[in-house]
Amino acid sequence: SQELEQSPQSLIVQEGKNLTINCTSSKTLYGLYWYKQKYGEGLIFLMMLQKGGEEKSHEKITAKLDEKKQQSSLHITASQPSHAGIYLCGADLNSGNTPLVFGKGTRLSVIA
Amino acid sequence: DTAVSQTPKYLVTQMGNDKSIKCEQNLGHDTMYWYKQDSKKFLKIMFSYNNKELIINETVPNRFSPKSPDKAHLNLHINSLELGDSAVYFCASSQDPPTGGFTGANVLTFGAGSRLTVL
Repeated sequence: SQELEQSPQSLIVQEGKNLTINCTSSKTLYGLYWYKQKYGEGLIFLMMLQKGGEEKSHEKITAKLDEKKQQSSLHITASQPSHAGIYLCGADLNSGNTPLVFGKGTRLSVIA
Repeated sequence: DTAVSQTPKYLVTQMGNDKSIKCEQNLGHDTMYWYKQDSKKFLKIMFSYNNKELIINETVPNRFSPKSPDKAHLNLHINSLELGDSAVYFCASSQDPPTGGFTGANVLTFGAGSRLTVL
């Protein structure tokens, strides 16, 4: 079973609208990372959250990690075509020496 | 100047062939990774090297053999290619090996990916 679930799988929004993408873990999150992937390109690091209740923003993108550290949300305000792409959450699910586990991603399309 | 560069970007080959994908990073990072992204966009770790030493080896067929001649390079060789090997392979690097906890060691810098198609 998938350790990290992202929802929705895909999203089409009109330019200027707000949207939220969720990432839910079946285990405690020791670190949560948001990445963005454009078609044909690698993943670009957006933000990292570590503490329960933490919230970070970068331009019009805000990410939060809930208090229980098993869910994160990514919120985009006033979406633009440049926000289009695939958003992936990656997580540290273990306090030991383990690599990031990724969700399946959310494909975002922004239409004019 | 590309931080993590992979070659080739596209690779189309026949079943049964052997192929290699090369990766180089100029960030001075100690740790490098190979991830596989399948047709459903599921990104999964394959291998990780720290300073030329293998530290993570997930359940990957023996046909896949990584090689790290130095800490700036991590190549992936695949023998006897199968249809199911078709995917995008991503190389990545991080300053330090993953330690979990709250160190943020898993901030990865990714290459652009190498799309492998096996016919």
